[in-house]
Amino acid sequence: AQKVTQAQTEISVVEKEDVTLDCVYETRDTTYYLFWYKQPPSGELVFLIRRNSFDEQNEISGRYSWNFQKSTSSFNFTITASQVVDSAVYFCALSEGERSGNTPLVFGKGTRLSVIA
Amino acid sequence: EPEVTQTPSHQVTQMGQEVILRCVPISNHLYFYWYRQILGQKVEFLVSFYNNEISEKSEIFDDQFSVERPDGSNFTLKIRSTKLEDSAMYFCASSDFGGNQPQHFGDGTRLSIL
Repeated sequence: AQKVTQAQTEISVVEKEDVTLDCVYETRDTTYYLFWYKQPPSGELVFLIRRNSFDEQNEISGRYSWNFQKSTSSFNFTITASQVVDSAVYFCALSEGERSGNTPLVFGKGTRLSVIA
Repeated sequence: EPEVTQTPSHQVTQMGQEVILRCVPISNHLYFYWYRQILGQKVEFLVSFYNNEISEKSEIFDDQFSVERPDGSNFTLKIRSTKLEDSAMYFCASSDFGGNQPQHFGDGTRLSIL
């Protein structure tokens, strides 16, 4: 069975600090996909990144970076120089990729990030 | 940028009543989904839909739930006889074909059962 664990329930940082959100996953599939979504206070879910299991290259997008390590089954998300607008709940999610077509996302419980000015 | 739209944003319904939540997926997407999020908890998969039929559903999606694509644009979730525990945020999502393309979510419908 697939499982996503986000051990950090809540994190509070002061603006301009760097912060890393942890995500550990479990799956028996050799092909799978990992995602991060942001849920700001307004409630919508905003797609941030998708990664497949064969691509372990780290990715950077502006102040955001992601570190994918298959050896530790982790897909961590770092925000550099955090800003108040980064305050949100961040969800890590997993979907299997062995079969064709669409497969459901399995979400972690989320990490609530509060960035204080 | 194209987006998934959901209506209404908030629905208040008496227990036992039927409710229909509506979604307009992104126009060229082929896969549609419903998820729910009970307040303060994680997002849970309900059902996925492709080629005018359900492709997968979770244990939550029991006989009280149904989905329909009544025309070329709308995708609806019906709860036949609502219960208090159905109170949650319901998200519709859609994705393009193949390779587990990212699912793009609507803003959600907050369903409150009294």
